[in-house]
Amino acid sequence: GAVVSQHPSWVICKSGTSVKIECRSLDFQATTMFWYRQFPKQSLMLMATSNEGSKATYEQGVEKDKFLINHASLTLSTLTVTSAHPEDSSFYICSARDFGAGTDTQYFGPGTRLTVL
Amino acid sequence: GQQVMQIPQYQHVQEGEDFTTYCNSSTTLSNIQWYKQRPGGHPVFLIQLVKSGEVKKQKRLTFQFGEAKKNSSLHITATQTTDVGTYFCAGDTGRRALTFGSGTRLQVQP
Repeated sequence: GAVVSQHPSWVICKSGTSVKIECRSLDFQATTMFWYRQFPKQSLMLMATSNEGSKATYEQGVEKDKFLINHASLTLSTLTVTSAHPEDSSFYICSARDFGAGTDTQYFGPGTRLTVL
Repeated sequence: GQQVMQIPQYQHVQEGEDFTTYCNSSTTLSNIQWYKQRPGGHPVFLIQLVKSGEVKKQKRLTFQFGEAKKNSSLHITATQTTDVGTYFCAGDTGRRALTFGSGTRLQVQP
């Protein structure tokens, strides 16, 4: 099946710094990617929908100025956590849907574990 | 907004026993997907159900989609220690993003 990669797989940073997470679809073009966040022992919560060439759509309660999303190409979306604080520590997972050949299957990246000290 | 509930939250079984997790959506779904997440890992796609009343099997796993396309179940026959993990259902209403259920954490005692 299709592959979605994420980089980095984990990151530790100091409070107040910004962290960029990349999500790439490796063998298909993704006009739409999604960013989820998962706190320990909880479910995945959708943060935002990233659309290639246009602004991201954020879910209610997610600060768009804090979580900057850029989807500059059909294979890359980035999530930047600006001025990170300890409460932003979480597992961030991206996904991309492959609409090619009518499959409409969603593929998840391996996730990025962010720890803010 | 759409909500997807899953029960039970946690189940501890003896190896060889059966296990079932149930998923209910507040809205009709275009399809439902099931994922398994091992501790420390990311969700891994198991299956997608599209048709009303659909039943699919993967070895010891049986997936069912309700007639009204608002509920689903995953049944594991004769659990093994390799089945340990959290099972999530995820509802697709067609707005392209998935809404995940709360998950059921399965523990299998050898």
